Amino acid sequence: GAGVSQTPSNKVTEKGKYVELRCDPISGHTALYWYRQSLGQGPEFLIYFQGTGAADDSGLPNDRFFAVRPEGSVSTLKIQRTERGDSAVYLCASSLIRPGANVLTFGAGSRLTVL
Amino acid sequence: SQQGEEDPQALSIQEGENATMNCSYKTSINNLQWYRQNSGRGLVHLILIRSNEREKHSGRLRVTLDTSKKSSSLLITASRAADTASYFCATGEQGAQKLVFGQGTRLTINP
Repeated sequence: GAGVSQTPSNKVTEKGKYVELRCDPISGHTALYWYRQSLGQGPEFLIYFQGTGAADDSGLPNDRFFAVRPEGSVSTLKIQRTERGDSAVYLCASSLIRPGANVLTFGAGSRLTVL
Repeated sequence: SQQGEEDPQALSIQEGENATMNCSYKTSINNLQWYRQNSGRGLVHLILIRSNEREKHSGRLRVTLDTSKKSSSLLITASRAADTASYFCATGEQGAQKLVFGQGTRLTINP
């Protein structure tokens, strides 16, 4: 596609429920990133994929968070047993692999609200 | 975790004035980038400066990088109301592909 597409744009769920957030990156972008942004804060890194594999998952806060990219394109961020503290905007970005010069293109984000 | 600290956290100026935002970071980097975010939207890349560069220009944007002080500044000249947004610096650490973002500066341009 022309840009990075994220769905849903808004998700309201109840504490304890399971949530999936989807990201469709720019065609041809091998690298895909998930970030989380709380109100008034900068994006916080969660996980980075190079192709199908998670090359860096050091930002995932705990084992309730998991992400996949099975065919090296679309990625899904999965959150189990959601907590109120998970409420944030989840941003996806993609880029070409350019060591030392990787420019990220971001989607509009998925706003998650856990009641 | 977030590496960058941005200063000021908020800046309000009159249209036509110049706006300067600063960013400090902690680790060795191979590049530093600036992104802009309009309210409720995704981030948009503005400019990238490599660790071996000291200054870079793009239109009304001027970025400087001082690796000895681990700091960068973004200057927007002749500001316009449409420049109202949050601005984030992001660092690309050596040996890593991810970017680490700062807390951002909220810029308001008053007409």
